[in-house]
Formats: sequence, structure tokens, C-alpha cells
Amino acid sequence: ETGVTQSPTHLIKTRGQQVTLRCSSQSGHNTVSWYQQALGQGPQFIFQYYREEENGRGNFPPRFSGLQFPNYSSELNVNALELDDSALYLCASSLVPSRGETQYFGPGTRLLVL
Amino acid sequence: GESVGLHLPTLSVQEGDNSIINCAYSNSASDYFIWYKQESGKGPQFIIDIRSNMDKRQGQRVTVLLNKTVKHLSLQIAATQPGDSAVYFCAEKGGSNYKLTFGKGTLLTVNP
Repeated sequence: ETGVTQSPTHLIKTRGQQVTLRCSSQSGHNTVSWYQQALGQGPQFIFQYYREEENGRGNFPPRFSGLQFPNYSSELNVNALELDDSALYLCASSLVPSRGETQYFGPGTRLLVL
Repeated sequence: GESVGLHLPTLSVQEGDNSIINCAYSNSASDYFIWYKQESGKGPQFIIDIRSNMDKRQGQRVTVLLNKTVKHLSLQIAATQPGDSAVYFCAEKGGSNYKLTFGKGTLLTVNP
């Protein structure tokens, strides 16, 4: 069984640029959630994708957007990067989006915005 | 609003001791809880979960206790080992089927 993978592992961007982060879900999982984790904080929910549709969204502005592909992999896109976007971006997959389903996390992408 | 918090930001124990990490939650609609372990530079790793129709669940060296009356969750680690050193987060789901709400985390340090 393959776990959740993310790419790239690290990324440096400047303010105003755009970034795309990628995630491959665990084998058999069709639901992908994205979280932002600032240094010293717990992860904050960005959004979730299920069957290629956005299934829920947290308190993040529209410049945070995503996609899910037929193979259940997913992308997180952030436009007009701001310094405060510097964080660890985590992807988590689950079998289905039900309330009792555990979410399994990938290693994350560390984004630094200068 | 929803929040999940921890009583102790740091915990230092001796190798072989038992550790207890506490968590308070405020959303009474929460019905599923998970403990994650996060080592430096890595993503959160699932440890154990519990549903609201239970008050105790045991895994290998870990036990989670849920007290819905006072909205309190705890993680007990038996015979703590240096490899247990990490930040521990509790997370809850409730009111939606998609979102996990995390607390700030407790840093557990195990001294040899």
C-alpha cells in the first residue's frame, strides 16, 4: 500500500508569485484534504476534494484554489503569494469524506515566501 | 466557534514513565476524535481515534480517554520511549464530514 506523497518537499517563492503544490492520495482513497500549518501551530483546514469536486472549504481567500484529477491526485494553487503564506502545506487522504473516516497525512511541502 | 485546545504546551518525562497528554474541545457536536504525532520535518502520523459513543479505546502502548461531560480528551502513552518524542495534536470532527479541527499541540520530550 502506498502512502500519501507530496511534491515538491521545499519551495521558495517571492511575493506576488503563484505556486502549485501536488499530492497523490493513499491507494484506494478518493478524498483529499489540504491544510496549512504555520510554525508552532496546528494544521488549519483549507479545503477538501471528493470525486473531483470541492466538498468543503475553510476560511481561506479565493486565491487558494484546488483541483482533483480522475486518479484522485490533487493540486493546491496559491496566487498572489503573501509573506504570511509561508508555512507547511499538508495533504491528507481518506477513504471517503464521512465523519468517521480517518485522514492520513503526507510529509508536506515547506513553502517560504520572500 | 469551534476550538480544540491543550492544557500543557510542553511535557517532559523520563524514559519508561507513562505520559498523559490532555486536550479540551468546545464543540459539543464533535463526534470523532483523533490523536496525531508529528515529528520534526514530517507530516502528522495517525496514532489512535475514538468515536463519541465510546469513552475509552486502547492501542499498542496508547490509550485514549474521552469525557464528553467536560469535553475532555486525553492520550496516555505507556512506558514512554525516546522515539515517542514529538508534538502531539488532538483533532476533532463535528458538524461537518470533511474538516478536522486541530489544537496547537503538546511537545513531548522523553529523557533517557
